[in-house]
Amino acid sequence: EAGVAQSPRYKIIEKRQSVAFWCNPISGHATLYWYQQILGQGPKLLIQFQNNGVVDDSQLPKDRFSAERLKGVDSTLKIQPAKLEDSAVYLCASSFRTNEKLFFGSGTQLSVL
Amino acid sequence: SQQGEEDPQALSIQEGENATMNCSYKTSINNLQWYRQNSGRGLVHLILIRSNEREKHSGRLRVTLDTSKKSSSLLITASRAADTASYFCATEEGDSSYKLIFGSGTRLLVRP
Repeated sequence: EAGVAQSPRYKIIEKRQSVAFWCNPISGHATLYWYQQILGQGPKLLIQFQNNGVVDDSQLPKDRFSAERLKGVDSTLKIQPAKLEDSAVYLCASSFRTNEKLFFGSGTQLSVL
Repeated sequence: SQQGEEDPQALSIQEGENATMNCSYKTSINNLQWYRQNSGRGLVHLILIRSNEREKHSGRLRVTLDTSKKSSSLLITASRAADTASYFCATEEGDSSYKLIFGSGTRLLVRP
């Protein structure tokens, strides 16, 4: 079974630039999650999709972050403009049932200079 | 908002010893999950224990759940250097059974 695919693996940008991350979940998984993990901390949920609908985005900084999941499969997370404090690992995960056994991708490590 | 909180924050043991990590949470849950994260990698699911279960085993892993104390523990027996990783518990946030919240993790170092 293919796992959750994420790209790019690493990204370095300057503050105020924009960046986009891509995620392809495991086939058949209806629920998709984007987490932000700052060094030394646990993952923080940014947004959760059920198929192509948003279940929760209460911790997504909507003035700069946006996410979409077209056709209920792939998803993109965008930051525009980036701030220094956005430096983190962005993890995508998917699950067959909501909140049961999440499968994570390897993440995108973002450095904002 | 923080739901699960692991203890200790860091743990260093000798290979072959057992490692115990604890997780405390605040509100009622449907299930509690444990994940492992190797440095620079994504999280890997270890065990899911439901609220009506008290103990669960998977290989060298043993998870207990005490809903009266709102706590769970993860025991790794006969640890190996490859067990060196961060371990996180995850639970739903309050009444939102759809929102999974992770704690800040326990960083385990197993010395060869």
